Amino acid sequence: AQSVSQHNHHVILSEAASLELGCNYSYGGTVNLFWYVQYPGQHLQLLLKYFSGDPLVKGIKGFEAEFIKSKFSFNLRKPSVQWSDTAEYFCAVKPLSGSARQLTFGSGTQLTVLP
Amino acid sequence: DAGVIQSPRHEVTEMGQEVTLRCKPISGHNSLFWYRQTMMRGLELLIYFNNNVPIDDSGMPEDRFSAKMPNASFSTLKIQPSEPRDSAVYFCASSMDSGWNSPLHFGNGTRLTVT
Repeated sequence: AQSVSQHNHHVILSEAASLELGCNYSYGGTVNLFWYVQYPGQHLQLLLKYFSGDPLVKGIKGFEAEFIKSKFSFNLRKPSVQWSDTAEYFCAVKPLSGSARQLTFGSGTQLTVLP
Repeated sequence: DAGVIQSPRHEVTEMGQEVTLRCKPISGHNSLFWYRQTMMRGLELLIYFNNNVPIDDSGMPEDRFSAKMPNASFSTLKIQPSEPRDSAVYFCASSMDSGWNSPLHFGNGTRLTVT
């Protein structure tokens, strides 16, 4: 079974700082990759997804992620964070041919942006 | 598009009582998922339906939990009898692609507290 690791449990940044959240997965085959964001008290929302093609994926609100197959990574980046980016971020991975049961979420990274 | 609608937003009940959580998926989506989110275990898939049929309920913790989807626009998750360890946020999500490769759209969740 695949697994997803988000090594940073809590990241604290000041506004305008650059952000990179790590996501590594373990699975030998082709995968679909997702980043979801959960703002305080709200539901998870899709930030961006990678299915195929250009490994650099751009999402909403200025976020992007790069799929590096050789490193089994899908790190999330943003060049300049805002206070409103304070939220919990979840990486998720699913084998291309897998069932919904095989959609695996990471444990999440809490981002706090100080004004 | 109203999104995935869950009710109630908050539920506080006493141990032993029956609890029913409700979900209306996005119109046109043919897959529906029930997740549970806790601090200790993160986001766990309990059960999912495809075209109103339960496909995989292996994540349902015990026989106290049951889920139904009588039609394409409504699903319930029932806990009977409830226990304090069931306290969590329960999310319903839906997706469009029966091939399991489309992203999930989450509802706002039901925060359940069992005293």
